[in-house]
Amino acid sequence: EAEVAQSPRYKITEKSQAVAFWCDPISGHATLYWYRQILGQGPELLVQFQDESVVDDSQLPKDRFSAERLKGVDSTLKIQPAELGDSAMYLCASSLDSPSGSQETQYFGPGTRLLVL
Amino acid sequence: GENVEQHPSTLSVQEGDSAVIKCTYSDSASNYFPWYKQELGKRPQLIIDIRSNVGEKKDQRIAVTLNKTAKHFSLHITETQPEDSAVYFCAALKAPNTGFQKLVFGTGTRLLVSP
Repeated sequence: EAEVAQSPRYKITEKSQAVAFWCDPISGHATLYWYRQILGQGPELLVQFQDESVVDDSQLPKDRFSAERLKGVDSTLKIQPAELGDSAMYLCASSLDSPSGSQETQYFGPGTRLLVL
Repeated sequence: GENVEQHPSTLSVQEGDSAVIKCTYSDSASNYFPWYKQELGKRPQLIIDIRSNVGEKKDQRIAVTLNKTAKHFSLHITETQPEDSAVYFCAALKAPNTGFQKLVFGTGTRLLVSP
């Protein structure tokens, strides 16, 4: 069964450093999501892509976070500079949605656990 | 915007008992409600979902009910087993003006099933 892949699984960094996370969605999934999950809370959407285009980044702290999906397949989420409060699990998910279609199941990757010291 | 509240935050039951987790949502236009199970250190996995055109859906020991009027939906697990122990998240679909849809998650319920 196809799964969403993410790397690295764990990342420890010092504040003010740059970090990057990678996600490879399930083949054929047009929509890709990046979520942040703080310990003890539910996932919170950071950015949503439809193919290579950002369709929702309203919750992305754009002064330090950036995301891209250049070829409409895999995606990278970057934080520069990292802050202590960025420590969290970063989850990637994908689905078959199209803009005019009904909501389809979102499949999650294993996540990248980030610790900022 | 959409707001999803989930209760209880923790739930302890004995093996074989039933467990019920409840969620409420604020956006009456929400029309899709999935439930995810997240075991420690693992990815969230969809266990059941329901759309607004039905009031109940069942899959073996798991069922979900939806009350659109009251804007709440519940997860029911019967004959619980220790392997049901995990954090369960509800979510509601929000359809913003852009037409692109996104899920808003509840805060999670930690279920512990004791043998």
